[in-house]
Amino acid sequence: DAKTTQPNSMESNEEEPVHLPCNHSTISGTDYIHWYRQLPSQGPEYVIHGLTSNVNNRMASLAIAEDRKSSTLILHRATLRDAAVYYCILTGRDDKIIFGKGTRLHILP
Amino acid sequence: KAGVTQTPRYLIKTRGQQVTLSCSPISGHRSVSWYQQTPGQGLQFLFEYFSETQRNKGNFPGRFSGRQFSNSRSEMNVSTLELGDSALYLCASRPRDRASNYGYTFGSGTRLTVV
Repeated sequence: DAKTTQPNSMESNEEEPVHLPCNHSTISGTDYIHWYRQLPSQGPEYVIHGLTSNVNNRMASLAIAEDRKSSTLILHRATLRDAAVYYCILTGRDDKIIFGKGTRLHILP
Repeated sequence: KAGVTQTPRYLIKTRGQQVTLSCSPISGHRSVSWYQQTPGQGLQFLFEYFSETQRNKGNFPGRFSGRQFSNSRSEMNVSTLELGDSALYLCASRPRDRASNYGYTFGSGTRLTVV
């Protein structure tokens, strides 16, 4: 079973920041937090991952709560191409990557 | 460098037949995982291979099997196909297993339709 909880869907306006939340209250000390997204008719695409500190890359930022029980994926300036299903996943030493239902992000022009 | 390549992209089979899907990981990646995606169940983990050994297995019947070759290429096989096996089958690779710090790179998938 997925170990994360995400809202089913969210909407955002184009060119505005988007904050996608994820709860993972049962996270263990060695679990990494990964985010993937899946655009229509494509396989999932890696977005970002982190352990304890906030992370930035060219696609997004990942803000991790101090207690690590939640995290937020931040798209700084959403475009129509960011409309996708976003998955928040924990990866631990047992290695299976289990996807939940994810958050369907709608971008309004 | 080339991404994860899955062949074929589309496949139509009849109930009762068997099918083999192929996945070529990114060069240098030794861990390959397979997922089934359906509208109702979402992305479900099938199995993961590393160095020709199955490391993890999801909750699928024995009709679903896989293997990995010495060059890290992987195949999955589904025998005695059922209508419910119609799905998008996705393959993903990463440099090695037991490395939770590495992300997966996914292929575009094989769309299997069972009629």
